[in-house]
Amino acid sequence: AQSVTQPDIHITVSEGASLELRCNYSYGATPYLFWYVQSPGQGLQLLLKYFSGDTLVQGIKGFEAEFKRSQSSFNLRKPSVHWSDAAEYFCAVGFSGNTPLVFGKGTRLSVIA
Amino acid sequence: GAGVSQSPRYKVTKRGQDVALRCDPISGHVSLYWYRQALGQGPEFLTYFNYEAQQDKSGLPNDRFSAERPEGSISTLTIQRTEQRDSAMYRCASSSARTSASYEQYFGPGTRLTVT
Repeated sequence: AQSVTQPDIHITVSEGASLELRCNYSYGATPYLFWYVQSPGQGLQLLLKYFSGDTLVQGIKGFEAEFKRSQSSFNLRKPSVHWSDAAEYFCAVGFSGNTPLVFGKGTRLSVIA
Repeated sequence: GAGVSQSPRYKVTKRGQDVALRCDPISGHVSLYWYRQALGQGPEFLTYFNYEAQQDKSGLPNDRFSAERPEGSISTLTIQRTEQRDSAMYRCASSSARTSASYEQYFGPGTRLTVT
């Protein structure tokens, strides 16, 4: 069965430090890949997506992610974290267009001064 | 424009009661999805529609759960004879699905259901 793994349940970084959140998926072909962010009491907001083409994608709020087929990974990065980035981050995959998403369990990001 | 809206935002009900959760998608969006999110987990798929047709209901936990989208717009997720294990955040999403560029799903704020 298709699955998404986010190995890190909780990460703490200092404000201004770089960030990388890991995501691995299990599927035989190239899926549609997404990163969503969920702030407390808020809905899920799309940060970025990958469908095809350039494997390095840019998103909102200064985030980027790189698709690596050989590693079945789609890790999220940000060069300098801001306190407002503290939230829960979810990686998700769709195994064809316009189909339900399979989500990872999420990584909670805490930002300290 | 308006995003996906859900109502109620919070629902507390007693075990054994029926509840109806409403989702109003972005105007013109073809596809509508229902997910359930337990605390500390990612959203899990329940069911989805293209227009008014239910495409997949394999994620519904049991026959107490049902969903409809009779006119291809607003959708209702109904849970009959609620149980405490039904307590969760229920999330709705919609997508345009007209081109590959529109496969992203836009999520509503969710309905927090608590069964006592």
